[in-house]
Amino acid sequence: GESVGLHLPTLSVQEGDNSIINCAYSNSASDYFIWYKQESGKGPQFIIDIRSNMDKRQGQRVTVLLNKTVKHLSLQIAATQPGDSAVYFCAENIAIQTGANNLFFGTGTRLTVIP
Amino acid sequence: DGGITQSPKYLFRKEGQNVTLSCEQNLNHDAMYWYRQDPGQGLRLIYYSQIVNDFQKGDIAEGYSVSREKKESFPLTVTSAQKNPTAFYLCASTTIGVSYGYTFGSGTRLTVV
Repeated sequence: GESVGLHLPTLSVQEGDNSIINCAYSNSASDYFIWYKQESGKGPQFIIDIRSNMDKRQGQRVTVLLNKTVKHLSLQIAATQPGDSAVYFCAENIAIQTGANNLFFGTGTRLTVIP
Repeated sequence: DGGITQSPKYLFRKEGQNVTLSCEQNLNHDAMYWYRQDPGQGLRLIYYSQIVNDFQKGDIAEGYSVSREKKESFPLTVTSAQKNPTAFYLCASTTIGVSYGYTFGSGTRLTVV
């Protein structure tokens, strides 16, 4: 399968600062990308997604940037809060021939917010 | 509210025992997935099913079995053949045909005692 990698396994930021979590992907046929947040002992929760025909998408305090030239994805969190502390996964979707959607997940980045 | 429910939240297994983890969804999703997550690691695909009465092996299917008798349900059995079953198990579901994200359950933590 395709690998989705993260540049940094851990990230610590001061409360109120902006956070940037990076992700590299390797399959140019990937058509859809998602960021998930996973708090300890819980299932991953959807944060934001972006399709391959877009470069940027904004949500509430979060922005995802997609650079298809270098196959790079980033998640920006504005004014990071203690509640943002979690593991963040990026995932790429490669629609296989059978039509099923299959997401490939990175190993995750642990974000720690320092009060 | 629509969602995906995993039970139990915590499960303890004795050596040589089979245990079954439940996953139910009322989202009318076609596809369902089981992942295993070890501490500090990412998600590894165990099995997935796109349609009732059909399922496919993922990357780490050995020692696990599944069934898909109903669209809403995709139980996972951890058999005695799985030598290191202690992990966090996640079930997910999605629609088919359009690239879309997965909805995850809250997970089951399985511990061998």
